[in-house]
Amino acid sequence: GESVGLHLPTLSVQEGDNSIINCAYSNSASDYFIWYKQESGKGPQFIIDIRSNMDKRQGQRVTVLLNKTVKHLSLQIAATQPGDSAVYFCAENPSGAGSYQLTFGKGTKLSVIP
Amino acid sequence: DVKVTQSSRYLVKRTGEKVFLECVQDMDHENMFWYRQDPGLGLRLIYFSYDVKMKEKGDIPEGYSVSREKKERFSLILESASTNQTSMYLCASRHQGADEQYFGPGTRLTVT
Repeated sequence: GESVGLHLPTLSVQEGDNSIINCAYSNSASDYFIWYKQESGKGPQFIIDIRSNMDKRQGQRVTVLLNKTVKHLSLQIAATQPGDSAVYFCAENPSGAGSYQLTFGKGTKLSVIP
Repeated sequence: DVKVTQSSRYLVKRTGEKVFLECVQDMDHENMFWYRQDPGLGLRLIYFSYDVKMKEKGDIPEGYSVSREKKERFSLILESASTNQTSMYLCASRHQGADEQYFGPGTRLTVT
């Protein structure tokens, strides 16, 4: 079946640099996407979301970019800090707004080098 | 803030035991979900409930059952635990019609 995937399983960045985490999705009907952060031993935590009628959305130090043409999603973290070290994964709603299921990617581990 | 709690952070059970994992949310959410998370496989949906006493199978329901007698509580039951059910179990909840799901801290279950 269709699934959400990630380009890079691990990413190491220097503290203070910007991080970019990528995600590919295959279902063109998906209209909602979320990025989650999961720290070791904890449950996933919502970071930012975006609907398919947008191509960019900004939060505090984070930006999500959506390219529907190539079905690509990215999470940018500005001025990466040690506390950003975690697994990040994207999720899509493949059945349209409000449907019950999200499809999750496998995750990218971000390691911040002090 | 939304709070989703799970009854245990770590659990060790023997093969064949009946296991109950409890999840409670305090935001009056209609929908609740149980996932398992395994390395290299991501989150996979076991069961979800869209309201009290309602349940639907997810992608991997075999070997599991659920119970939703009260709106705030969603239980996952392993009728006869097996070693291949060793995993991290995550509960989530959300308002009906919303997209964002709020997760609990997870229960790491080991079946020996």
